[in-house]
Amino acid sequence: AQKITQTQPGMFVQEKEAVTLDCTYDTSDPSYGLFWYKQPSSGEMIFLIYQGSYDQQNATEGRYSLNFQKARKSANLVISASQLGDSAMYFCAMENQGGKLIFGQGTELSVKP
Amino acid sequence: NAGVMQNPRHLVRRRGQEARLRCSPMKGHSHVYWYRQLPEEGLKFMVYLQKENIIDESGMPKERFSAEFPKEGPSILRIQQVVRGDSAAYFCASSPGPATNYGYTFGSGTRLTVV
Repeated sequence: AQKITQTQPGMFVQEKEAVTLDCTYDTSDPSYGLFWYKQPSSGEMIFLIYQGSYDQQNATEGRYSLNFQKARKSANLVISASQLGDSAMYFCAMENQGGKLIFGQGTELSVKP
Repeated sequence: NAGVMQNPRHLVRRRGQEARLRCSPMKGHSHVYWYRQLPEEGLKFMVYLQKENIIDESGMPKERFSAEFPKEGPSILRIQQVVRGDSAAYFCASSPGPATNYGYTFGSGTRLTVV
C-alpha cells in the first residue's frame, strides 16, 4: 500500500536559519511524483515544489529545495533563510499513476523572531 | 487567468440538510479532484472526475456523497443528510490532463460546519 509519513508533528526554527522537514514514502510503483504544499492559517493549499521519481537532480524553487533520496524513500523539504511568513502547516504528498495525491499528516512549522 | 474557484468559502448546515460545494476549475482544465481535510489531518482523496465522467471514486463514502462534473458549469460535490462528522474542509484541485506531469492547482477550499 502507498503511504506518506511525516514524523514531526511540530518544528521550531529561528528566523533566518535553515530547517528540514522530513518525509518518507512507500510505493511499489516505479513512476511517481512527490510534492510539498504549505497551508497557512488562512487554510489554502499552496504548491511549493515537485520531484519526479525519474528526476536526476534534486528540485529547487527559490528558498525551497527537496532532498530526494530514492533508495531511502525520503523526500525531505529544506527551507533556507526562514522567514516569519513561513510559519504554517507543511504537507508532503505522493502522486501515483492514478493521478491522485496521498498526503502525510503534516508538520507545523513555527518560525521564531 | 483565474485560479480554481470554490464556493462558498464557508458553509453552515444543520444535521439532515444537504450541502452543495462548487468548484470551477482553471480555464482549460478538464480534470477535477476533490479532497477532504478533517481537523488536524492531511487531505484525503475523495473523487477524480473528467467532464461528464467519474474516473475514480475510491475515496468517496458509499452513502450520502456524490460528485459530478457536467459538460457545462462547475463540478459539484453533494452531501445529503449531513452529519456532524462531515464537518471538514473540502478542497478541489484541477489539472489540464491526468495530474502526472501536469501537477495540480488547488482552490481555497470550502469549510463545512454541521451544527
